[in-house]
Amino acid sequence: QVQLQESGPGLVKPSETLSLTCIVSGGSVNTGSYYWSWIRQPPGKALEWIGCIYYTGSADYNPSLKSRVTISIDTSKNQFSLKLNSLTAADTAVYYCARERTMLRGVFYGVDVWGQGTTVTVSS
Amino acid sequence: DIQLTQSPSSVSASVGDRVTITCRASQGIRTYLGWYQQKPGKAPKLLIYGASSLQSGVPSRFSGSGSGTDFTLTISSLQPEDFATYYCQQGNSFPRTFGGGTKVDFK
Repeated sequence: QVQLQESGPGLVKPSETLSLTCIVSGGSVNTGSYYWSWIRQPPGKALEWIGCIYYTGSADYNPSLKSRVTISIDTSKNQFSLKLNSLTAADTAVYYCARERTMLRGVFYGVDVWGQGTTVTVSS
Repeated sequence: DIQLTQSPSSVSASVGDRVTITCRASQGIRTYLGWYQQKPGKAPKLLIYGASSLQSGVPSRFSGSGSGTDFTLTISSLQPEDFATYYCQQGNSFPRTFGGGTKVDFK
């Protein structure tokens, strides 16, 4: 079965750029069946959708973050990545990579596979 | 963006209770809604997709209903392992959005 694993630094300084990678095992990212997503959760708060990418490289972003975020995909390495720049303390959160199945016959299948999450702290 | 409003934000219940959580969308989203359960320190887990379809492996005490703007997650008989926070998410359009969450704790 498909497993997702986030990797990246746990501590980043304000104004710097966060880079996270999600390694996909047990399945391929090079398929039209899924969107590959990033979702975050600040301490004690609700889930926030950051964005997602399709295997073609087409991406959608949360408008509140769009000016600072880039999601990319590397089908040769079977992974996808997140870059978030100009970090502030408000970006401190658990970051999840996740898989959302694309709609089929008018059914929203939701996010069915999640990574374990990685805690990112923005502090000097 | 489509806003999702969950109510209540928290509910205290006992084992065996019937628990109902509501999610209201700021505009119609047909049945493009999912429900998730999250326990402390863990990733969310998909319970319901398509507003009312049970994800594989999820106990049948969980059920979902609704379409358009009003949706409900029901736990028919609360079990000890169900104490958690629940979120709804819309899949009608990008950006995807989540509700604010409903925490189910011990009465």
